[in-house]
Amino acid sequence: GAGVSQSPSNKVTEKGKDVELRCDPISGHTALYWYRQSLGQGLEFLIYFQGNSAPDKSGLPSDRFSAERTGGSVSTLTIQRTQQEDSAVYLCASSSGQADTDTQYFGPGTRLTVL
Amino acid sequence: KQEVTQIPAALSVPEGENLVLNCSFTDSAIYNLQWFRQDPGKGLTSLLLIQSSQREQTSGRLNASLDKSSGRSTLYIAASQPGDSATYLCAGVSDSWGKLQFGAGTQVVVTP
Repeated sequence: GAGVSQSPSNKVTEKGKDVELRCDPISGHTALYWYRQSLGQGLEFLIYFQGNSAPDKSGLPSDRFSAERTGGSVSTLTIQRTQQEDSAVYLCASSSGQADTDTQYFGPGTRLTVL
Repeated sequence: KQEVTQIPAALSVPEGENLVLNCSFTDSAIYNLQWFRQDPGKGLTSLLLIQSSQREQTSGRLNASLDKSSGRSTLYIAASQPGDSATYLCAGVSDSWGKLQFGAGTQVVVTP
């Protein structure tokens, strides 16, 4: 079956612009995660969805970052007024929702470059 | 807060040698420990997941162990091949949401 997909694969934007990153999880997966991978910080957690709710937003770095999930499926991560430090690869993962047993399946990522 | 450390940061071995990758974590109350592989410019591929009640998991040439008391996991790759060249990441789940805390990774090069 289809894996996790993300779009766009690459995004170049100018400082101050807003961007939207999309994630399509594996069908039937109730849990969805966003992570960010940058050279200086490694891989860090951003936000977790269970269904359409986000019980853990603790990793969002500032109020410029927001995310939503609709229909228990597609998720969009929005970054407003982008800054150069937002440049990173944004990864999405999904799982069946059992924390102790479930493997997270990752998408290929969106590489964001802020000029 | 769970902190995950991987040593060494980089490793180069000749083809055929066994690989030993180390991961340590600070919080022994983990739900599971996962190993991933990342190829340049690509996402993460899951290799093995060890539940907190397990001591090891095996898949083909890969074997991962988990020792919660010492806060360590080790990934063994037998008879390494050039195709094993990649970055290997370990990550622990310490909350019921399943959030992964990642180590910085070990970059592996297997030379023919």
